[in-house]
Amino acid sequence: GENVEQHPSTLSVQEGDSAVIKCTYSDSASNYFPWYKQELGKRPQLIIDIRSNVGEKKDQRIAVTLNKTAKHFSLHITETQPEDSAVYFCAASVTGNQFYFGTGTSLTVIP
Amino acid sequence: GAVVSQHPSWVICKSGTSVKIECRSLDFQATTMFWYRQFPKQSLMLMATSNEGSKATYEQGVEKDKFLINHASLTLSTLTVTSAHPEDSSFYICSARSSSASEKLFFGSGTQLSVL
Repeated sequence: GENVEQHPSTLSVQEGDSAVIKCTYSDSASNYFPWYKQELGKRPQLIIDIRSNVGEKKDQRIAVTLNKTAKHFSLHITETQPEDSAVYFCAASVTGNQFYFGTGTSLTVIP
Repeated sequence: GAVVSQHPSWVICKSGTSVKIECRSLDFQATTMFWYRQFPKQSLMLMATSNEGSKATYEQGVEKDKFLINHASLTLSTLTVTSAHPEDSSFYICSARSSSASEKLFFGSGTQLSVL
């Protein structure tokens, strides 16, 4: 089955700096890669996703890049703000099948 | 986005009792729902995949007789933790995938279970 690895497990950045979280996956059939943000005690919220036919997608301060050949994808957050502090999860899925989640990255943005 | 409602959000029970958790898709039909368990500061561990009208598919190591899943309609799946013990204390969270937009996954708000 699919194996998703996520790094780093914790990340601290100064407010205004950029944060990058990386994930790798093992199943070349995976074609959908969402990123979720989870605040303490709350549900994961979808923040951005990318399909395998696209190399990069951007939504305001958030961007995701995908390298199908290397089987890795990354989340980029620019101009970080304290409210960006949360746990971020990547996931990989074959459309219509189950989702496999990374181990999570706890991001702390220091004011 | 689509809304998934999960109840209760918090439950405390005595050891040996059973607890039922409900997961409802409010504005879409969910042919597939997933149940996860999450320990503090850890990732989402898939417990089982629930398909409407059929038996749930359990992940390896998850006891199907202990974690009963029922997906009787396109908008409701339930997880019953039977004969709960303190080690079952955890954050349980469901997610649903729309039958019309099968790519995206929407999460319930989670249930914090504490077994005394």
